[in-house]
Amino acid sequence: GDSVTQMEGPVTLSEEAFLTINCTYTATGYPSLFWYVQYPGEGLQLLLKATKADDKGSNKGFEATYRKETTSFHLEKGSVQVSDSAVYFCALSDRILGGGSYIPTFGRGTSLIVHP
Amino acid sequence: EAGVTQFPSHSVIEKGQTVTLRCDPISGHDNLYWYRRVMGKEIKFLLHFVKESKQDESGMPNNRFLAERTGGTYSTLKVQPAELEDSGVYFCASSQNRPGGNTEAFFGQGTRLTVV
Repeated sequence: GDSVTQMEGPVTLSEEAFLTINCTYTATGYPSLFWYVQYPGEGLQLLLKATKADDKGSNKGFEATYRKETTSFHLEKGSVQVSDSAVYFCALSDRILGGGSYIPTFGRGTSLIVHP
Repeated sequence: EAGVTQFPSHSVIEKGQTVTLRCDPISGHDNLYWYRRVMGKEIKFLLHFVKESKQDESGMPNNRFLAERTGGTYSTLKVQPAELEDSGVYFCASSQNRPGGNTEAFFGQGTRLTVV
């Protein structure tokens, strides 16, 4: 079945450091790929997505490129801020249901802690 | 517009007791999903409603879990009797039903259930 593997956390960085959170996936077909973020005390939010190979999703300075050849979707940010501290979830979806809705399959999540 | 709302935000119960979690989706969203994250593990799909009908309940762990969505509005997830391994964060999400295209699922902040 489909699965997502993320690097284990927590990832601890100083402000303005470069961030990479690795994500690889296993899926049949051609899934869409996502990064979700959960800030403390809040719900899951969609951070960015890519729907086909070589697409790059980007939002709030974060980027991830859909790499079909390596089945990866690594999350990167050039300069992290304290406010980026959160749990980040990589996810995929190839279960398109009637009505156009999808059901994501999530990874375990990676906690990011950014110190001033 | 209000987002997906979950009640309670945190519940601590004793093993063998009953707990009912509630989810209010975004108004107009026919799709409603329940997910669960056990500590440090993946966010796992539990089930999916389209309006009041259960579209997919393949992720429900066992018959101690009962989900309902009477009238196709809010949903409840009852755990009876609760066991220690039921502890985790229960997320609810909703999305529109729109033929012909992927629709984003919006998540609530989750209910943290602790069974002692």
